[in-house]
Amino acid sequence: NAGVTQTPKFRVLKTGQSMTLLCAQDMNHEYMYWYRQDPGMGLRLIHYSVGEGTTAKGEVPDGYNVSRLKKQNFLLGLESAAPSQTSVYFCASSRLAGPTDTQYFGPGTRLTVL
Amino acid sequence: AQTVTQSQPEMSVQEAETVTLSCTYDTSESDYYLFWYKQPPSRQMILVIRQEAYKQQNATENRFSVNFQKAAKSFSLKISDSQLGDAAMYFCAYRMYSGGGADGLTFGKGTHLIIQP
Repeated sequence: NAGVTQTPKFRVLKTGQSMTLLCAQDMNHEYMYWYRQDPGMGLRLIHYSVGEGTTAKGEVPDGYNVSRLKKQNFLLGLESAAPSQTSVYFCASSRLAGPTDTQYFGPGTRLTVL
Repeated sequence: AQTVTQSQPEMSVQEAETVTLSCTYDTSESDYYLFWYKQPPSRQMILVIRQEAYKQQNATENRFSVNFQKAAKSFSLKISDSQLGDAAMYFCAYRMYSGGGADGLTFGKGTHLIIQP
């Protein structure tokens, strides 16, 4: 049982390049989330998904797109990377439940945009 | 919008002593959840403790306990018998109870906890 995994762990991009971050979970969770963490800041929600085939915007969605084609995977895309998107990206998932909706986090992806 | 404030950027404590990390939040909701997450240098976010707003009893997990003051919108974390492995960034987080679990977490900026041997 690997929990939540993220690919890649590190990436360096040039301004204008595109890339996709992959998040996978093996806990059969319905909900998945993408956050970014900037220096001196807590995590901020980018996008989330409440189930396969659905996505919704979070607090800071601009410049990102997401897809949830399979229940276990949640992809975060950057179509034209900008230096402002240099950050550490965290994926999380949670089970479909009410009061005990704990989010489990992946190890993070450090992205640098030059 | 909800906000979470951690007023202590850094705290230091001697090993085996007790330390309290502060957190305040602002919300107009009555049902919500509060969390403390630990982030060691490995960057992994680890859930430390969770508190449901409708519960008056403070949550406890081994050496970790909270002091939840709903009226004051305060949610502090107490770590007893501090250990070297407790050194990390600690984040306070808030989640509104939407019934479907669809809302993400709102995080504070974190407190860097240093354990002095």
